[in-house]
Amino acid sequence: GEDVEQSLFLSVREGDSSVINCTYTDSSSTYLYWYKQEPGAGLQLLTYIFSNMDMKQDQRLTVLLNKKDKHLSLRIADTQTGDSAIYFCAESPNTGGFKTIFGAGTRLFVKA
Amino acid sequence: AAGVIQSPRHLIKEKRETATLKCYPIPRHDTVYWYQQGPGQDPQFLISFYEKMQSDKGSIPDRFSAQQFSDYHSELNMSSLELGDSALYFCASSPPGGQQLEQYFGPGTRLTVT
Repeated sequence: GEDVEQSLFLSVREGDSSVINCTYTDSSSTYLYWYKQEPGAGLQLLTYIFSNMDMKQDQRLTVLLNKKDKHLSLRIADTQTGDSAIYFCAESPNTGGFKTIFGAGTRLFVKA
Repeated sequence: AAGVIQSPRHLIKEKRETATLKCYPIPRHDTVYWYQQGPGQDPQFLISFYEKMQSDKGSIPDRFSAQQFSDYHSELNMSSLELGDSALYFCASSPPGGQQLEQYFGPGTRLTVT
């Protein structure tokens, strides 16, 4: 089946690194994503990783993929108060269609 | 740059009424997706269209229907509304060849059923 799981809350101090973890079940997923949602706003694609990659770095963001364990993580370096949001892990199962399955979201609190 | 447009932004309906949500994708995007996000929940995929044909179907109730028109805009029709249909409905679009990789989300339509 298709399921994405992630922890619900994370609290860090400004300037520290944040690591948000996610596990997924569908090993056929070609793409795995991290989306950010600020209060009352839509979903913003932060970054994605192809399933044949182990790591992807994009400025302050580092995505690590352990395909064997179906584990995905997002590291935010030098976390700022503006990073406070809900972060959704998502996968696109390779079913021939175009749907994306989201995790429950991790609410990141950044303390000044 | 143009973004995905959704209308209305807010909608209040009573139980058993009908609602129509509209989505205007980014110009030249050919794929449209609909998601439902209940309060404090993750977005749930409802349905998607590619080149005006339904391409994938998720947890969309039978009371809901959707279509994509010749100008690529899409409408989500919801009938016999229930209290549990109160949610934020997102539309996303992606360009030709982008599909799963590049989904651009609209701001959402907040539907409240009383």
